[in-house]
Amino acid sequence: GENVEQHPSTLSVQEGDSAVIKCTYSDSASNYFPWYKQELGKGPQLIIDIRSNVGEKKDQRIAVTLNKTAKHFSLHITETQPEDSAVYFCAASKGFGNEKLTFGTGTRLTIIP
Amino acid sequence: KAGVTQTPRYLIKTRGQQVTLSCSPISGHRSVSWYQQTPGQGLQFLFEYFSETQRNKGNFPGRFSGRQFSNSRSEMNVSTLELGDSALYLCASSLNGVSGRFIGELFFGEGSRLTVL
Repeated sequence: GENVEQHPSTLSVQEGDSAVIKCTYSDSASNYFPWYKQELGKGPQLIIDIRSNVGEKKDQRIAVTLNKTAKHFSLHITETQPEDSAVYFCAASKGFGNEKLTFGTGTRLTIIP
Repeated sequence: KAGVTQTPRYLIKTRGQQVTLSCSPISGHRSVSWYQQTPGQGLQFLFEYFSETQRNKGNFPGRFSGRQFSNSRSEMNVSTLELGDSALYLCASSLNGVSGRFIGELFFGEGSRLTVL
């Protein structure tokens, strides 16, 4: 089955700097790659997603890039703010969309004021 | 618009008991998925229901089961609880189009935290 690896497991950056989280997937049939943010005591919340027919997508300070050949995708957060501190998960699916998501192991991002 | 509601939020059981968790999806959402979250294994897919039918199932033993009702509300059941079943159980709903084709993001509830003693 699909396997998603995520790095790093923890990341600390100074407020205002950029943060990058990387994921690789194993199944070339995967075609949907969402990123979720989970704050303490809450469920994961979708922050951005990308489909396999797109190489990059941006939403304000957040961007995701996808390299289908290398089977990896990355989350980029620019101008980080304290409220960006959370656990971030990447995921992959080969269904129509969200069916049977395979998640990475998560990255705990800490923004240092 | 109310989000995904899961009950109970916290519960403690002992080994061998069974537990039933409930999930009310966002109004209008017909697909409900369940995930188990543990520190060691991360988020793992349990099953997904659409229109009262299980469409996908993860790699969990038969002790884990679920169902969906005609109003899209869903329940999951774990029988003969083991210590390793201690986890946060997350329910998520999504808006599906004709024939169940996904057209929106996955909305998670805050989870039911199960502790097995």
